[in-house]
Amino acid sequence: GEDVEQSLFLSVREGDSSVINCTYTDSSSTYLYWYKQEPGAGLQLLTYIFSNMDMKQDQRLTVLLNKKDKHLSLRIADTQTGDSAIYFCAGRSGQGGKLIFGQGTELSVKP
Amino acid sequence: EAGVTQFPSHSVIEKGQTVTLRCDPISGHDNLYWYRRVMGKEIKFLLHFVKESKQDESGMPNNRFLAERTGGTYSTLKVQPAELEDSGVYFCASSLGGAYNEQFFGPGTRLTVL
Repeated sequence: GEDVEQSLFLSVREGDSSVINCTYTDSSSTYLYWYKQEPGAGLQLLTYIFSNMDMKQDQRLTVLLNKKDKHLSLRIADTQTGDSAIYFCAGRSGQGGKLIFGQGTELSVKP
Repeated sequence: EAGVTQFPSHSVIEKGQTVTLRCDPISGHDNLYWYRRVMGKEIKFLLHFVKESKQDESGMPNNRFLAERTGGTYSTLKVQPAELEDSGVYFCASSLGGAYNEQFFGPGTRLTVL
């Protein structure tokens, strides 16, 4: 089955850029997603990228997809303290569309 | 419009007891998914309903877990008897019909088995 790996922690200073990385094993995922979980809240879809794209930009968020290396990254420009959260990458698997998640990266933004 | 709701938000039970978690999806969403995150690990898929039918229950860990979705509206996930390793956060998500629509997540139920 699919495996999705992420680093567990990232700490940045306010105003810097954050880059959260993810690797996956199943190249058949049609879409790849980034979710954000704030404390006490559910998962919020931040952005997604279709598997035939290399890059997608959405305001402060940039998603890069390297299909050859099966590597996905999320860049947050001008990181703010409100961006502190856990970020999960996920692929979508087969019929029914169940999501396969990584372990989550806890982003800490220091003032 | 109300989002996905889950009840309770927290549950603390002793090993061997029974717990029932409830999920109310967004109205009109045929797809309902259950996921679980055990402490610090990845969020794992448990099962998927389309209306009242189980489409995929490949992620259910064992027969101590029973999920239902009577009438195709809300769903319950019962754990009986609970074991220590069942502790974690249980998330429910719902989406419109079709496999690629956005899944909207509830806030989760934190289950602690002592």
